[in-house]
Amino acid sequence: GIQVEQSPPDLILQEGANSTLRCNFSDSVNNLQWFHQNPWGQLINLFYIPSGTKQNGRLSATTVATERYSLLYISSSQTTDSGVYFCAVVGGADGLTFGKGTHLIIQP
Amino acid sequence: DTAVSQTPKYLVTQMGNDKSIKCEQNLGHDTMYWYKQDSKKFLKIMFSYNNKELIINETVPNRFSPKSPDKAHLNLHINSLELGDSAVYFCASSQGPPTGPWGYTFGSGTRLTVV
Repeated sequence: GIQVEQSPPDLILQEGANSTLRCNFSDSVNNLQWFHQNPWGQLINLFYIPSGTKQNGRLSATTVATERYSLLYISSSQTTDSGVYFCAVVGGADGLTFGKGTHLIIQP
Repeated sequence: DTAVSQTPKYLVTQMGNDKSIKCEQNLGHDTMYWYKQDSKKFLKIMFSYNNKELIINETVPNRFSPKSPDKAHLNLHINSLELGDSAVYFCASSQGPPTGPWGYTFGSGTRLTVV
């Protein structure tokens, strides 16, 4: 099945910093989503972005499908941004396949 | 009005018991899923139903049995619970089949603890 690799696995930043999270995938995809799992365990859909660029407030995402990667940008980080960020793709018959996530901690 | 709702949110039970988790979606989607998140936070698909038909059935113990009475509901029944079944179970739905170009919407999860 398709492989999804996220980097970095862990990231600790001060409030106000910017960050870039990366997702590499091993095959062509027709669905790519970024999720934020908050400290209470809820999975929040951030972006549906199989290609192109989208922005939502302080967050933006870019997927370059031909080069098989996606980037999630977080600007002016806040403590509420803490949690685990997952990239997930659909590239075969297995449905949405998740990466192992990036654990982000924003310190005040 | 919650799009994908799961009950219960928390479930603590003893080994050997049988339990069910219920899921309902009000998005009018055709496809529903069960995912398992283990202690290392890894999310893996277990089952998928499209219009009440089982279409994805990953390698899980046959103690796990999904049931879809209609396309808005997907329940998960677990027999003879074991310690290793402790995890967070997420329900999700999508507009069409799993491989299509549409997003998945997830419920808030059910934390199952087997003691």
